[in-house]
Amino acid sequence: EIVLTQSPGTLSLSPGERATLSCRASQGVSSSYVAWYQQKPGQAPRLLIYGASSRATGIPDRFSGSGSGADLTLTISRLEPEDSAVYYCQYYGSSPMYTFGQGTKLEIK
Amino acid sequence: EVLLVESGGGLVKPGGSLRLSCSASGFTFINAWMSWVRQAPGKGLEWVGRIKNKADGGTTDYPAPVKGRFTISRDDSKNTVYLQMNNLKTEDTALYYCTTCGGYDLRYWGQGTLVAVSS
Repeated sequence: EIVLTQSPGTLSLSPGERATLSCRASQGVSSSYVAWYQQKPGQAPRLLIYGASSRATGIPDRFSGSGSGADLTLTISRLEPEDSAVYYCQYYGSSPMYTFGQGTKLEIK
Repeated sequence: EVLLVESGGGLVKPGGSLRLSCSASGFTFINAWMSWVRQAPGKGLEWVGRIKNKADGGTTDYPAPVKGRFTISRDDSKNTVYLQMNNLKTEDTALYYCTTCGGYDLRYWGQGTLVAVSS
């Protein structure tokens, strides 16, 4: 079973800055099977990135995904106040089928 | 516009049962693979099962914590997917989301329905 560990737990940045969120897998994974989600308070999660680097419909190009092997990264350039949220990485495997990281909380000062 | 609306949540005693429903619109439901994901209060996301479309066999998959207790089914005539939960435990308390399955991701999400298991 693959375990995803996200860091940092909480990230506090100012508008206009760049955020780098890490997701480390317990073993090497196929980047095709990695996705990222954004969850704002009181809302359902929303798909941001799939296949490690493809943006979902309607997601601005400030959001980008990268990485390979066991290290995946979500980068948000030019932070805006509405980017305050918890971000989850997810891997599609065999058992369990969908595994999530524990989340990174991004605070915009 | 894709719309997923969950219903059926509520308060149930340990050992009890509950059936959640998810009504779908805005896409071709008969072709869709569907999943359920839950989120315990203040916690992260946990996948609880998936059902394929009938053309791909209509089979289901579950993670270990719910296998044998939870059953997913679908009624394509009603554009609805169900989650039958039996022998509920306090640790099943969560907000339950219905999602569509993309290639290897969970593409669209409903707003969730709350299940509380308590005596």
